[in-house]
Amino acid sequence: DAGVIQSPRHEVTEMGQEVTLRCKPISGHNSLFWYRQTMMRGLELLIYFNNNVPIDDSGMPEDRFSAKMPNASFSTLKIQPSEPRDSAVYFCASGIHRRGTEAFFGQGTRLTVV
Amino acid sequence: QQQVKQSPQSLIVQKGGISIINCAYENTAFDYFPWYQQFPGKGPALLIAIRPDVSEKKEGRFTISFNKSAKQFSLHIMDSQPGDSATYFCAASPSGSNYKLTFGKGTLLTVNP
Repeated sequence: DAGVIQSPRHEVTEMGQEVTLRCKPISGHNSLFWYRQTMMRGLELLIYFNNNVPIDDSGMPEDRFSAKMPNASFSTLKIQPSEPRDSAVYFCASGIHRRGTEAFFGQGTRLTVV
Repeated sequence: QQQVKQSPQSLIVQKGGISIINCAYENTAFDYFPWYQQFPGKGPALLIAIRPDVSEKKEGRFTISFNKSAKQFSLHIMDSQPGDSATYFCAASPSGSNYKLTFGKGTLLTVNP
């Protein structure tokens, strides 16, 4: 099993540009999470999907952020327009929905907005 | 509002020693308490987890101690090894929404040979 696959691993973009982060969850998992990690705020849950449906997007910082899960094997997190304060490591994680769901994290995408 | 407070921020332990990391929470609705381990350049990985119906859970060299009345829980790493050097995060999530983990700020553990 290859685990959760995220792309790209690193992204450098200019302020105002659109950024799309991609995630392939572990096959058979029906829960998908997007997290953001920064030194100041730590690990924050942005959005949670169950069976491809967004269940909780209360952590999405603002309308510039959007996430989609068109099928069970693919999800995207888009930032448009990007700002320097969006610089962070973005993690995708997947799991199997049950009490005490374990989240299996990908290696993350380090985003730098200049 | 920081719902899960973790300490210390960093910890240096000699090989063979005991590493202890503490967390305190505020939300009494929390009923799932995992610990995650993160190596540089990697995503966090679940290490061990506990529910409040037990006061202690042990898996190999790793033990979680849980004090429900004090709203505190801790991770003990016995016989610490250089390979344990990583960042450790405690987390908590509420009943009915166990997916909604609130993480502590992390503890950078260094185990010297």
